[in-house]
Amino acid sequence: KNEVEQSPQNLTAQEGEFITINCSYSVGISALHWLQQHPGGGIVSLFMLSSGKKKHGRLIATINIQEKHSSLHITASHPRDSAVYICAVRSNQFYFGTGTSLTVIP
Amino acid sequence: GAVVSQHPSRVICKSGTSVKIECRSLDFQATTMFWYRQFPKQSLMLMATSNEGSKATYEQGVEKDKFLINHASLTLSTLTVTSAHPEDSSFYICSASTGFWADTQYFGPGTRLTVL
Repeated sequence: KNEVEQSPQNLTAQEGEFITINCSYSVGISALHWLQQHPGGGIVSLFMLSSGKKKHGRLIATINIQEKHSSLHITASHPRDSAVYICAVRSNQFYFGTGTSLTVIP
Repeated sequence: GAVVSQHPSRVICKSGTSVKIECRSLDFQATTMFWYRQFPKQSLMLMATSNEGSKATYEQGVEKDKFLINHASLTLSTLTVTSAHPEDSSFYICSASTGFWADTQYFGPGTRLTVL
């Protein structure tokens, strides 16, 4: 059983579509992170959340601590958003989701 | 933005040899550095956390004698895979922050290790 579950595993969208990636976790956490990994392997930390909502450009991340759920939204998606998005939580140790592979088609 | 480099980006070695991977924070002082490994089509696995000047803290199941971590300065941490075997072949990634993991992480580009 994975402590962090992401859905969907794979996602293909047309350019301009609104995208949602979900993350559910089963442990108590102090923080949740959304990471973006590009095809070459490079990773960028997008958000760190402990409550509420954060926005950065076209990206929005929300977290519901009671429901142990977080979502990452991408508005007006673009081909350059194509990447693997990883949800990670800090509990007594770190747990990572298996990632959501996003492909945005022009 | 903050930049973290890793060297080498790719290494192929024979079984039984040791391989050292460097992780450097180029424009900031990294109090804490983290080492991860990633198998193909799988997510990241945190291996250890290192704070400058002190011993690394290893995650459960990671052999500290196998994966030696040194964080001798605020800009450099090294991971040495000792007596490497084919099962150690993986993508190794470091990240650095000015504080603990709750702070923003800056990731290195990764090192692809292949052990023959």
